[in-house]
Amino acid sequence: RKEVEQDPGPFNVPEGATVAFNCTYSNSASQSFFWYRQDCRKEPKLLMSVYSSGNEDGRFTAQLNRASQYISLLIRDSKLSDSATYLCAVNKEDTGRRALTFGSGTRLQVQP
Amino acid sequence: ETGVTQSPTHLIKTRGQQVTLRCSSQSGHNTVSWYQQALGQGPQFIFQYYREEENGRGNFPPRFSGLQFPNYSSELNVNALELDDSALYLCASSLEVSETQYFGPGTRLLVL
Repeated sequence: RKEVEQDPGPFNVPEGATVAFNCTYSNSASQSFFWYRQDCRKEPKLLMSVYSSGNEDGRFTAQLNRASQYISLLIRDSKLSDSATYLCAVNKEDTGRRALTFGSGTRLQVQP
Repeated sequence: ETGVTQSPTHLIKTRGQQVTLRCSSQSGHNTVSWYQQALGQGPQFIFQYYREEENGRGNFPPRFSGLQFPNYSSELNVNALELDDSALYLCASSLEVSETQYFGPGTRLLVL
């Protein structure tokens, strides 16, 4: 079983739709959680960190469920420019090292 | 932009050759992590350098090696290239080991 799993999609949604992605992680010692956005042939860019209490940044809402070991990302009022691959990443501090473990990404295609 | 730069942007090598990839971290960042991203996958952690010392390593063979310099820039060296080494190589810098990682644009390596 992979340490971090995501539905690869693609999720094809119309503009204005609300879409949600989940990401499950297997290591209960994971401490930090992130969503990155990656455009085709570009580097991942930090979208948001995910906090235990949940957090919101404009149209984006991230939540963490430690009991069930998953994080989620909700995008409201989807824009064409939201089309990208969304990577979740978890981080376990281990003897002073923090290495991100990524899922394979979920592809979102927003259609006009 | 993150202020993290990588060179070269693209590289073509043949099997058995050696390659060196370079990364300049964001100003003030003392930690550099290297990741390999194969097509359709999430980035995989190779190793991390903190203040010129290796600070953890992922599941990569010893032919993947690195350096960090006093100005915190870093190199990734890969010996005896294999076809499966074809990937996007990403470096990420962070202010400290425990801080958020910001990615450079990557080096796309093709091994023929």
